Parts: sequence; C-alpha cells; structure tokens
Amino acid sequence: DQQVKQNSPSLSVQEGRISILNCDYTNSMFDYFLWYKKYPAEGPTFLISISSIKDKNEDGRFTVFLNKSAKHLSLHIVPSQPGDSAVYFCAASTNTGNQFYFGTGTSLTVIP
Amino acid sequence: DTAVSQTPKYLVTQMGNDKSIKCEQNLGHDTMYWYKQDSKKFLKIMFSYNNKELIINETVPNRFSPKSPDKAHLNLHINSLELGDSAVYFCASSQSRAEQYFGPGTRLTVT
Repeated sequence: DQQVKQNSPSLSVQEGRISILNCDYTNSMFDYFLWYKKYPAEGPTFLISISSIKDKNEDGRFTVFLNKSAKHLSLHIVPSQPGDSAVYFCAASTNTGNQFYFGTGTSLTVIP
Repeated sequence: DTAVSQTPKYLVTQMGNDKSIKCEQNLGHDTMYWYKQDSKKFLKIMFSYNNKELIINETVPNRFSPKSPDKAHLNLHINSLELGDSAVYFCASSQSRAEQYFGPGTRLTVT
C-alpha cells in the first residue's frame, strides 16, 4: 500500500518556464515532507523540505507548497534550467519513527 | 571525500550465491538505512539502524541480513540470491529525522 504517490511519471517543460511537480499522500500522521532529486547512476540528493506547521518553504528557485487538508504537496521550480532535468522524489515521515516513505518519482525534462 | 559510499557499484552473480554490499558514511550520522529500488523505480525501505541498533525491519525475506559493526557502517548480506533480488540497492544515512544522504547505489543483477 503506497502512502506517497506521484501520479505523473514524467514532465517536460521549456527552459525558463515553471516546473510543477505534484505529490499526494494518504497518511494524515505525516508531518515532515522532503523532495529529492536523482540523476542517472547516482543516489537521490536532498533538495528541500517542509514541516506540517508551514504551508510554504522557499530556497532559491525551489518552493515547496503543502496543502494539509488535501494531503497534497507540490514542488515549484522557477525558472527551470536544463540542469534540473532529473527524477524528483517526494518523501514523507511521521514523528514516531525514522522511516521515510517515498513516491515513485517524476522524471523532469527541461528543454533548452 | 564521499559522504556515503557503497561497494561494489555493480554486482553480477548467479542464482543461489551469497553476496555482500558494504556501506560507509563519514558524516557522523546516527541512523543508517538500506533501500531497494525495483524495476518500477519504487524506493522502498528495507532496514534502518540507529546507533548500531535495528529499528526498522520491513517485510524483507530473512535471506537479507544487515550488519552494523559500528555507527559508520551498515553492510547488507544476501544469501541464496534469487532473480527477483535484481534491483538497485541504496544505502543512506541521516541524523535522526533530518534529511537523508544517499550513497551512489549498487546495481545487483542476478542471472
């Protein structure tokens, strides 16, 4: 039973435009959410996180939005750059343990 | 200076063999993990160790046995390898609930 879902396996965006990656979760006990970026033949690298006490967190070109009532989070990248082309995973955890649940990833292609 | 390293990067072996994958982190983190990424690209946790103690053991066949000789190392030993074990295995570490740092992955192919 997958508690974190990324329903779009792929996304293509023109360079300079906004990329919006979406993630849905089912467990209302999740209180900490993260986004990771993964290049081929490498491990995922941490990008940005958000706690459930906030609804937005920004870091440079990356902004994560959290809608707790909809159990939905999104990652906005603006402006998108070709180097952003990678697979993006969202992950979530509860405050009771060290386990992170990952989505299946969205492959982003930024077209020059 | 690699933060989380895994060896080997590629592993090709036959069914029935026993193999190990090593993981080391030099970040001083207290928690280490093993994940399996299958053909559907789903990253699923297998084990988690906190200060050398097993705290998460998901539904994984007991052919898989993690070993943590110290806080900086978490090795994965697999007995009697099966075709379905073919996957990419990632080691990761974190300081408690903070973000995880992943190794480069070990691509295991069982023939």
